[in-house]
Amino acid sequence: QSALTQPASVSGSPGQSITISCTGTSSDVGGYNYVSWYQQHPGKAPKLMIYEVSNRPSGVSNRFSGSKSGNTASLTISGLQAEDEANYYCSSYTSSSTLVFGGGTKLTVL
Amino acid sequence: QVQLQESGPGLVKPSETLSLTCTVSGGSIRTYYWSWIRQPPGKGLEWIGYIFHSGSTDYNPSLKSRVTISVDTSKNQFSLKLSSVTAADTAVYYCARDEVTKRLFDIWGQGTMVTVSS
Repeated sequence: QSALTQPASVSGSPGQSITISCTGTSSDVGGYNYVSWYQQHPGKAPKLMIYEVSNRPSGVSNRFSGSKSGNTASLTISGLQAEDEANYYCSSYTSSSTLVFGGGTKLTVL
Repeated sequence: QVQLQESGPGLVKPSETLSLTCTVSGGSIRTYYWSWIRQPPGKGLEWIGYIFHSGSTDYNPSLKSRVTISVDTSKNQFSLKLSSVTAADTAVYYCARDEVTKRLFDIWGQGTMVTVSS
């Protein structure tokens, strides 16, 4: 199972909105609504930010939102803040009954 | 609240078996599934496999031939064994609580770095 495709990096200025894409196939992202997004600061464990495409866990800011169209899922962060600078990973359930992650996207807040 | 802590050797020789344990505190291991996930230096995440308290497991097909995950409910721990390791198995290994019905990991350990080298 190949990793999901994410842009290597994105950037934005404080207050702006950015979107990170996560592209898979009809056997993973396109076939199931089990897409999650994780935030990882350097040297730290990942933190769940979005699950089931667009649901936010308790305690996660509503500046984070998720969506999906076809084989591509997206994470949008609005009102960008310095603390949002981190690596972001998507994950999806697959038709092989396994779980696959994206390669990760480094978000830089300018 | 539930916390996870990985433990085990930080250095393993090539061809040997990597062994790690995850201790669950603040909650019972009986109520969720539990996964191992790894991250090679500077790279992305890879799901290794999960276990339920009953002993039921599922593994990433790419690692299935070398992986064994087991559980000790009396100690609230679950463990990972990865055999015949090579330098490609060098990574930070995380244990995580697996909400398997939603395919998400909502609680993670801090991670432990394992280096494969002679």
